[in-house]
Amino acid sequence: GDSVTQMEGPVTLSEEAFLTINCTYTATGYPSLFWYVQYPGEGLQLLLKATKADDKGSNKGFEATYRKETTSFHLEKGSVQVSDSAVYFCALRVIKSGGSNYKLTFGKGTLLTVNP
Amino acid sequence: SQTIHQWPATLVQPVGSPLSLECTVEGTSNPNLYWYRQAAGRGLQLLFYSVGIGQISSEVPQNLSASRPQDRQFILSSKKLLLSDSGFYLCAWSTSGGRETQYFGPGTRLLVL
Repeated sequence: GDSVTQMEGPVTLSEEAFLTINCTYTATGYPSLFWYVQYPGEGLQLLLKATKADDKGSNKGFEATYRKETTSFHLEKGSVQVSDSAVYFCALRVIKSGGSNYKLTFGKGTLLTVNP
Repeated sequence: SQTIHQWPATLVQPVGSPLSLECTVEGTSNPNLYWYRQAAGRGLQLLFYSVGIGQISSEVPQNLSASRPQDRQFILSSKKLLLSDSGFYLCAWSTSGGRETQYFGPGTRLLVL
């Protein structure tokens, strides 16, 4: 079946540090890949996405590149801020003929804390 | 622009009591609607999805049910809550077709005691 594996948290960084959150996946088809962010007490917000190999998604200084050869979609940011403190979820969706095209498969999430 | 609402925001219920969580979407027609659960220390799990009024698909067997009485309304219910039903429930919508991005509501935190 489809699955997403994220690096275990929590991750604690100082402001302006470089961030990497690793995400790898297994999929039975050709997935679209997503990063969602959940700020404290809130629902999930789409951060960025990529729908085909070598695509780079980017938003708010965050980037992730769809690497089919390594089945990875690692999230990076060059200089984190205190306001980036949140839980980050990697997710995939596989379009399947005749079946559920709707299911997002999520990783367990990685808690990021950025200290001033 | 589209918005998605969920209520209540927080709910504390005794074991064996009924449950009704509501989700509504504004600013779009004929959306796909989804219920996810986020249990402590775990990722999100899709519970139900709906592609139209009265059309509900269940992803996992459980103590919960879903209904879609109107185009932009999605309800999650239970007749008798279990302790294991505690969690953070998220509703999401996407445009019809299934290929589009899913957008999430603010969530309902349910604690069953």
